[in-house]
Amino acid sequence: QVQLVESGGGVVQPGRSLRLSCAASGFTFSHYGMHWVRQAPGKGLEWMTIIFYDGSEKYYADSVKGRFTISRDDSKSTLYLQMNSLRVEDTAVYYCAREAGGDRGVRGYFDSWGQGTLVTVSS
Amino acid sequence: DIQMTQSPSSLSASVGDRVTITCRASQSISTYLNWYQHGPGKAPKLLIYAASSLQSGVPSRFSGSGSGTDFTLTISSLEPEDFAAYYCQQTYSSPLTFGGGTRVEIK
Repeated sequence: QVQLVESGGGVVQPGRSLRLSCAASGFTFSHYGMHWVRQAPGKGLEWMTIIFYDGSEKYYADSVKGRFTISRDDSKSTLYLQMNSLRVEDTAVYYCAREAGGDRGVRGYFDSWGQGTLVTVSS
Repeated sequence: DIQMTQSPSSLSASVGDRVTITCRASQSISTYLNWYQHGPGKAPKLLIYAASSLQSGVPSRFSGSGSGTDFTLTISSLEPEDFAAYYCQQTYSSPLTFGGGTRVEIK
């Protein structure tokens, strides 16, 4: 069955970097666009970024543009999120999600999600 | 950006109750509206996509309706496992946006 497993979270100081990973299994990873979504403590879900199935295009929420970079390694069926210049307000659980039914990042839905990894930005 | 407004933000209900959650978009999004259930410490789960299509494996007590700017998620008869947070999401245009969530609690 489809499985997404995030890792790489932890406690980091403001201004530092962290890289999250999302290991995919149970499906042909290279056929799907992938997203990162986060949830800050006590808050709702916030979409962060998408990478197209072929890696040709990437889009970001304004809140992370220029600081976060999404990438993928299809040979390892793994999605990444490189987070630089971290801020206290980036503290959240980060989820990866698989996109289905859409076209170039819109008009679809997220049919599989990971359990999330917690990132805490604190001095 | 398209703003998604959910109401209520929380509700208390009993097992067997009928529950309705609404979601309003700041502009027309056709039927590009999805609903997710999110339990504490769990992965979010897709319930409804394209406003009214039931995701495979999701119980038929869940249903969705609406188009344009106004949408509804209905749980016909609450089960104990349904106590969770529910989020709508528009995928009409980027950036994709979620509603603020509705927490369904046990009365």
